[in-house]
Amino acid sequence: EAGVVQSPRYKIIEKKQPVAFWCNPISGHNTLYWYRQNLGQGPELLIRYENEEAVDDSQLPKDRFSAERLKGVDSTLKIQPAELGDSAVYLCASSDRDRGQITGNTIYFGEGSWLTVV
Amino acid sequence: RKEVEQDPGPFNVPEGATVAFNCTYSNSASQSFFWYRQDCRKEPKLLMSVYSSGNEDGRFTAQLNRASQYISLLIRDSKLSDSATYLCVVNNFNKFYFGSGTKLNVKP
Repeated sequence: EAGVVQSPRYKIIEKKQPVAFWCNPISGHNTLYWYRQNLGQGPELLIRYENEEAVDDSQLPKDRFSAERLKGVDSTLKIQPAELGDSAVYLCASSDRDRGQITGNTIYFGEGSWLTVV
Repeated sequence: RKEVEQDPGPFNVPEGATVAFNCTYSNSASQSFFWYRQDCRKEPKLLMSVYSSGNEDGRFTAQLNRASQYISLLIRDSKLSDSATYLCVVNNFNKFYFGSGTKLNVKP
């Protein structure tokens, strides 16, 4: 079974430029997450989707970040304009409810998109 | 207060040693618990789930204490390949909270 697929793996951009990351979750997984991880820190949630609905975007800096999950499958995370402090790894993850239960499911990550803003 | 707190380490141990990591979580309503392993410049990967009854997978033992809101991971007979960062993870209604991770260095 294919895992979570992300692209691009690496991106270097100048500040104030836009950047977009793409994610394809594990087939059949209804829940999709975007996390950001800074060096020496754990992943921090940016946004969570249940199917095509963004159910938790409280940590998403909405002035410059946007995300979408059309048709409840693939997702795109965009930053415009990028700032120096946005340099981080952007991790996409997915999970599925086990037989309709909320508990017991686990979360699987893609390899991440490494962003450097210069 | 952070949802999940861990000692960042690093824990530097010789091969064959036993090492234990702990973490605490703030939300008593949290439903499920995990340890993830993250290698340098790689994504986090599930190591094991954590249950109140305790669970063991080879050299790894995980334990949950709901009363104290405390999770532990014990690694016996450490191998060089165990060197990584170990992330404590708490799930609350499909929202996964990660600790900052504890770094383990196993030395020959």
